[in-house]
Formats: sequence, C-alpha cells, structure tokens
Amino acid sequence: AQSVSQHNHHVILSEAASLELGCNYSYGGTVNLFWYVQYPGQHLQLLLKYFSGDPLVKGIKGFEAEFIKSKFSFNLRKPSVQWSDTAEYFCAVNPTNDYKLSFGAGTTVTVRA
Amino acid sequence: SQTIHQWPATLVQPVGSPLSLECTVEGTSNPNLYWYRQAAGRGLQLLFYSVGIGQISSEVPQNLSASRPQDRQFILSSKKLLLSDSGFYLCAWSRDPKTQYFGPGTRLLVL
Repeated sequence: AQSVSQHNHHVILSEAASLELGCNYSYGGTVNLFWYVQYPGQHLQLLLKYFSGDPLVKGIKGFEAEFIKSKFSFNLRKPSVQWSDTAEYFCAVNPTNDYKLSFGAGTTVTVRA
Repeated sequence: SQTIHQWPATLVQPVGSPLSLECTVEGTSNPNLYWYRQAAGRGLQLLFYSVGIGQISSEVPQNLSASRPQDRQFILSSKKLLLSDSGFYLCAWSRDPKTQYFGPGTRLLVL
C-alpha cells in the first residue's frame, strides 16, 4: 500500500512570503497526485492534480506543484502568499486506476497580515 | 454541475447509541462513493468505498458499516457508538479512479 508524508505540520508565514510544502510518497508504480486545501469552516477542495505529462502543474489561486519522479515528491509552491491562503493543505496519492486515495497528515499554513 | 450533500452537519451522541450519517450526490449517475474519517494531525483515512449499488469495500476493521441503497446515496452506520468513533466524517464521489470531490462533512462527538 502507498503512504504519503508531509514534512511540515505547521508553517507560519508573513504575507508576500514564498511558500513551499513538501510531499513525498512511497509507491513503485505510476500514480495520480493531488493537493487539496481546507479553508477554515469550509469543506475540502481540490487545489491541483497531476496525472501525466508536464510535471509542473498549475492550480487555482496561483499555486503550482512539481512532480519529481526520481524523488517520489510532489511539492506545492506559491511565490507570494496572501492572508486568505491560511488553511490546511493535504497531499494525496493513488496508484493509477486504483480508487484508494491515501492522504498525508496535512500541513496547517498560517499567513500573518 | 455535481453537488454532494451530507447531513447532519454536527451530531452529539451518547456512547452505545446507533448512528446513521447520510451522503447524497446530485448531477451525476453511477458515481464511486467514499467515506473518510479525518482526525486532527492524521489526515484522512479511507473507511469504505463503493463502485455501485450494494457494492461496499471496507478498508479498515472498525465499529462502523456502510450501505448504498440507491445509486447516489451512501450511508455510514453503527449499531453502538464508541468514544473512539468521534471525529469528522467526509463523504466523497468520483467518476473514475482519479479526482475525488468532497462533501462538507459531519462532525460527530460521542460522549
């Protein structure tokens, strides 16, 4: 079974700072990769996804993620965060053609105005 | 467009009482349906998934069960709740083994 590790439990930033959240997975085959976000009081939303092709994926709200196959990583980045990016971020992985999505423990991001 | 509903939003139940959480999806047919539990600091854990009416796969042994009586309805149940069943329960749907879309969740507190 696959597993997902998110390196940071809680990240605190000031507005306009750059953000990078680490995500590594363990699975030997091809995978689908996702980042989900949960804003305070809201339900879990898809931020971006990677299935195949260009390993640099752009999502909503200026986020992007890069799939590095050799490192089994799918790190999330945003060059300049805003206060509204305060949320919990989850990395998720499933083997291609498998329904079972595995989630990381999540990273809480707090952006100070 | 597709929407997913869960109710109730919040539930407080005594230990030993039964549980029934409901999830319905609108705007699509024959979706794959999922139940997750979200624990603080531990991400989401897949509990059950279903690829069709009456077809349920259980991922972890536990005090809960799931049923799919209709194509777009997924129910999470328990006959007797335990304290450890407290948590945030999320329902999700997908068309294929790719992107899953999540409902608003039910926060369950067992006292």
